[in-house]
Amino acid sequence: DARVTQTPRHKVTEMGQEVTMRCQPILGHNTVFWYRQTMMQGLELLAYFRNRAPLDDSGMPKDRFSAEMPDATLATLKIQPSEPRDSAVYFCASGLSYGLNTEAFFGQGTRLTVV
Amino acid sequence: AQSVAQPEDQVNVAEGNPLTVKCTYSVSGNPYLFWYVQYPNRGLQFLLKYITGDNLVKGSYGFEAEFNKSQTSFHLKKPSALVSDSALYFCAVPNNNAGNMLTFGGGTRLMVKP
Repeated sequence: DARVTQTPRHKVTEMGQEVTMRCQPILGHNTVFWYRQTMMQGLELLAYFRNRAPLDDSGMPKDRFSAEMPDATLATLKIQPSEPRDSAVYFCASGLSYGLNTEAFFGQGTRLTVV
Repeated sequence: AQSVAQPEDQVNVAEGNPLTVKCTYSVSGNPYLFWYVQYPNRGLQFLLKYITGDNLVKGSYGFEAEFNKSQTSFHLKKPSALVSDSALYFCAVPNNNAGNMLTFGGGTRLMVKP
């Protein structure tokens, strides 16, 4: 049963600390997305990769956030330094990019709490 | 820009009654539309999508959605609601400039009461 795997599932950290979230996309998928979900803002797209290349990270605060794909089986989202307003659930999703009609598959998310 | 709107934050339905979760869209060109469901403490799960053809699309868990071009709507429906259908539902549309990158509506919380 193919699925997107995210680690850790939960993370509590102190303000100012570095946070790294990891995602293993579904094998064979060539697009990866990072979304952030909060009560106030809903689902926001942070970053989008196709074939490991970043195509859109306009939704990501550049001064503290960074997203990378070191290889096809791993995507990372880092926050340094973290702030309380970063508290949210971060979702990774993967899919195939051969058209506009392909669905994305979501991981279970990383719930981040910055105190 | 492609966008979808979900006018209701919450929908309350009694178990066994039909349910409708509303979505309207604004797109250029042919619309591709999606519905996702999010159960508590879980990621989003794909329910169904409209690409072209039949205006009534059938999906997972007995859900269906009706595409209406004149009303620019894509409402999610189910003939008989279950308590287990209680969840957060999102309508979505792809960003035409970025392949399958999805823009989501604000979400509608469906509460089905016994």
